[in-house]
Parts: sequence; C-alpha cells; structure tokens
Amino acid sequence: SQQGEEDPQALSIQEGENATMNCSYKTSINNLQWYRQNSGRGLVHLILIRSNEREKHSGRLRVTLDTSKKSSSLLITASRAADTASYFCATAGAGSYQLTFGKGTKLSVIP
Amino acid sequence: SQTIHQWPATLVQPVGSPLSLECTVEGTSNPNLYWYRQAAGRGLQLLFYSVGIGQISSEVPQNLSASRPQDRQFILSSKKLLLSDSGFYLCAWSAVAANTGELFFGEGSRLTVL
Repeated sequence: SQQGEEDPQALSIQEGENATMNCSYKTSINNLQWYRQNSGRGLVHLILIRSNEREKHSGRLRVTLDTSKKSSSLLITASRAADTASYFCATAGAGSYQLTFGKGTKLSVIP
Repeated sequence: SQTIHQWPATLVQPVGSPLSLECTVEGTSNPNLYWYRQAAGRGLQLLFYSVGIGQISSEVPQNLSASRPQDRQFILSSKKLLLSDSGFYLCAWSAVAANTGELFFGEGSRLTVL
C-alpha cells in the first residue's frame, strides 16, 4: 500500500513550543504533501516536497524528506493556538496519479 | 481565483434512501476531480476521480457511483444508502495530476445514515 502513516496520532503542546509530526510510507513516491484539517472542515494544502528534495520551508513550517528511510517530518515552529488541527501526509507514487492519505496527527496547542 | 463549492453541508438520510452530493468548481477549466470519504477518526479514502467529462474511475467497490455531466461538476450518488455510508465526504480538484500538484478541497458534506 502507498498509504502514509503519521506519528504520533495525537500531540498536545503549549503555545510557543515546536511541534513535530512524522510520516512513513512504503513504496517509492513522486512527491509527498502535507495538509491541514480544522475540525469539521475541508483539507488545506500546506506544502509539497518532491522526491528529489530533502528539505522545504514555508513560513513557520519545515518539511524534510528522507527517501532512503521512506519518511518525512513536518515541523511547526513557535506554535499558536490557531495551529490546533489535524495534519495529514499524502503520497503519490511514481506510477499513480492519485494521492493516498494517512490517518493524520491531531495537534492540540494549549494557550 | 478558483473556488470549489460542495453541497449540502449536512444531511441525515434513512437507510435505503437515495443520495446525491454535488460539487462544482469555478475559475478553472478541465480540472481533475475527486471524491474522498473520511470516516470518524480515520484517514481519507479515495472513492472516485475524473480526468474529464464522462470519465470516472472508481477506487473502491461500493454502492456509490459518480458522474461528471459537465466539465466542472462532479456528483456522488447512491440508489440505496447503507449505514456504513455515513461519513464526511470531501470533493477536491487539481489542475494537474495529483502526483505532481496539490489538491484543493471543498468544505465537505457530512452524511448520517440512520
């Protein structure tokens, strides 16, 4: 299965701390994407990292990709209460046109 | 700019009743369209995707069907709902194949089958 698996399933931190979420997958990929979902809402794309990239930044977000370990991490620095949401990684195989999502990490940032 | 509309936002349906969820995209042409389902506390399951009018690919065998009668319209249907059809249904579009670019999601339709 191409499905990514996020770890941990849930994470609770204090405002101002950094939050790190991990994603592991099983087969070769074209790219890996991270999405955010506020409770009861649709998903919002955060960042896309291609298989030939190792690190990418966007504002307070930092994503790394290690294709040898088939894993990725999402770091949110200086977290805010508004970062409270579920975060999903999604992978797309080289031979597939579709994205496969993991079950997500539920992040709670306590003010 | 591009926008995606999905409706209804919520609905409660009895077992055995029909279903129709609609999704439209504005501001783009020939989008790739997707229907995902999210069960409570679970990840997203791809149900259908479409790369053009009348072109539907099914990822999971079930009692649901999808149609794309117009370029920017995607409909999810069922003739007879099952309890297991309850969930949060998300429509999405992408400008390019999902393995090269991002998906843009609608706000979702929460279906409860009683």
